[in-house]
Amino acid sequence: GAGVSQSPRYKVAKRGQDVALRCDPISGHVSLFWYQQALGQGPEFLTYFQNEAQLDKSGLPSDRFFAERPEGSVSTLKIQRTQQEDSAVYLCASSPDGNTEAFFGQGTRLTVV
Amino acid sequence: QKEVEQDPGPLSVPEGAIVSLNCTYSNSAFQYFMWYRQYSRKGPELLMYTYSSGNKEDGRFTAQVDKSSKYISLFIRDSQPSDSATYLCAMRDAQGGSEKLVFGKGTKLTVNP
Repeated sequence: GAGVSQSPRYKVAKRGQDVALRCDPISGHVSLFWYQQALGQGPEFLTYFQNEAQLDKSGLPSDRFFAERPEGSVSTLKIQRTQQEDSAVYLCASSPDGNTEAFFGQGTRLTVV
Repeated sequence: QKEVEQDPGPLSVPEGAIVSLNCTYSNSAFQYFMWYRQYSRKGPELLMYTYSSGNKEDGRFTAQVDKSSKYISLFIRDSQPSDSATYLCAMRDAQGGSEKLVFGKGTKLTVNP
């Protein structure tokens, strides 16, 4: 079956613009994660959903970042009033139950100019 | 001090060499340990998944966990040019309800033919 799908693959935003990044997890996966990966760094945790419930959002860097998963499937990460420091690859991962392997998507590369 | 430390390299070896990759960590609550491989412009893919201390072998890959030293290793035998990638260690605890992974910075490996 299909893996984790993220769109768009690349996004260029002007500073101050709002962006929305989409993640389609593997069908039936309960857990969904968002990570931010800066150039030359490992992924940093942003937020975690179990079904539609956002159980951990401790990694969101500011109140400009917002994530949702309203029907427990597709998730959207929204960044308001983008800043240059938001430039990074945003990775989505899903897992059958959170206790087993997390499968990552290809990521969305966001560049804020 | 970061929770997970990993030497970013880069590491360059000839084909057929044995490669040793390592991470140290400070959080004694970590119970699950993983190694991910990430090719350029791709998402991380899971190589090895280990619970608690001990060794695990899968083909040319061996993962070791020493919880007493807070030290984990990945060995690659008979390395191939196709192993050239960034290797990320990741770990999580089993408490608190969040299944988030904490990653190292990644080690960039090049295997030269």
